Amino acid sequence: GAGVSQSPSNKVTEKGKDVELRCDPISGHTALYWYRQSLGQGLEFLIYFQGNSAPDKSGLPSDRFSAERTGGSVSTLTIQRTQQEDSAVYLCASSRSPFDETQYFGPGTRLLVL
Amino acid sequence: DAKTTQPNSMESNEEEPVHLPCNHSTISGTDYIHWYRQLPSQGPEYVIHGLTSNVNNRMASLAIAEDRKSSTLILHRATLRDAAVYYCILRASNTGNQFYFGTGTSLTVIP
Repeated sequence: GAGVSQSPSNKVTEKGKDVELRCDPISGHTALYWYRQSLGQGLEFLIYFQGNSAPDKSGLPSDRFSAERTGGSVSTLTIQRTQQEDSAVYLCASSRSPFDETQYFGPGTRLLVL
Repeated sequence: DAKTTQPNSMESNEEEPVHLPCNHSTISGTDYIHWYRQLPSQGPEYVIHGLTSNVNNRMASLAIAEDRKSSTLILHRATLRDAAVYYCILRASNTGNQFYFGTGTSLTVIP
């Protein structure tokens, strides 16, 4: 079956511009996560959605970052007024439920802010 | 978030077993131990997880110390496709299912 998909795969933008990154989780998965991976680093948790509950935004690094999940499926991560330090790979993952031990990751979106 | 400590890199010869260590001295009683790996230019993929007892699956084995302050991921016969960064992660059961990744161990498999 289809895995987690993300688009675009690569994004180059200028400092100060807004960007939107999209994640399509596996169908039927209720939990969705966003992570960020800077060059040579491990993954940094950003935000977590579970069903219709309020998201856990505890990992968002600043108020320039926001995310939505529409209809309990597709999610969009928005970065406003991008900065060079926002350059990273943004990874999305989903799981059947928050109690499911396995998260399935997408291939990521590689963001470069010039 | 609980922390894990892993060596930055390890090497193994092809078709030999590999033991990847992880220390998690601050683990709490309800934390699960997870291992994920990340191949170059890909998202992480699940390898194995456990709580107290040793675990085996088709990919690997997980040996957990009796005091749970350390664990070892065992690849029984390393192949070139096992070259990846291996992450040892603790999942705090009372804070949702988000994972807190460290920097992992970069495994090189030598033909």
